[in-house]
Amino acid sequence: AQSVTQLDSHVSVSEGTPVLLRCNYSSSYSPSLFWYVQHPNKGLQLLLKYTSAATLVKGINGFEAEFKKSETSFHLTKPSAHMSDAAEYFCVAGTNAGKSTFGDGTTLTVKP
Amino acid sequence: GAGVSQSPSNKVTEKGKDVELRCDPISGHTALYWYRQSLGQGLEFLIYFQGNSAPDKSGLPSDRFSAERTGGSVSTLTIQRTQQEDSAVYLCASSFSGPSGGGSYEQYFGPGTRLTVT
Repeated sequence: AQSVTQLDSHVSVSEGTPVLLRCNYSSSYSPSLFWYVQHPNKGLQLLLKYTSAATLVKGINGFEAEFKKSETSFHLTKPSAHMSDAAEYFCVAGTNAGKSTFGDGTTLTVKP
Repeated sequence: GAGVSQSPSNKVTEKGKDVELRCDPISGHTALYWYRQSLGQGLEFLIYFQGNSAPDKSGLPSDRFSAERTGGSVSTLTIQRTQQEDSAVYLCASSFSGPSGGGSYEQYFGPGTRLTVT
């Protein structure tokens, strides 16, 4: 069985301050891990993915995530938030065995 | 190249009617997924097709929901006797897949079909 827990349903930051969106996973396998972003009334877009290569993964728009096996975490970070980062973010675990497991999402609000 | 497309983009239907939602995946992608996203909610997995294998239907909420994938490409999600609680955005995604499945590959999402049942 596999599960993904996004620890915060809502995160609010000021523009120019760091962003941290937390994700923990549980899996019997060695999963692939992804972060997707969904802007209002848009489809989901891949931000970055981890597939057992480097544990620090860099994605688009300045986001990065670090895979920590000992903590079963894959937190998403960005050094400086921009207004355009306001969106819903989903952490996802996938395996070769079949379908992926999505977290419930974190809504990021960026205040001017 | 072309991404995942879905049609229609919006569908309004009366309670009790049947609807069909269409998904055209990226050419060459053998894995196809359907999800449902209700207002302010996360993604709810519905069904997963992987190549010629039997689909994983474990997420379908009731027997009013069915899906098929013809020729390993286009997929149709059918909802019979629609209910108001079926109102949601239905998202389709496709991905490459390895020998066993598609979960380790990123999914490419379509824009979704917004279904409103009145």
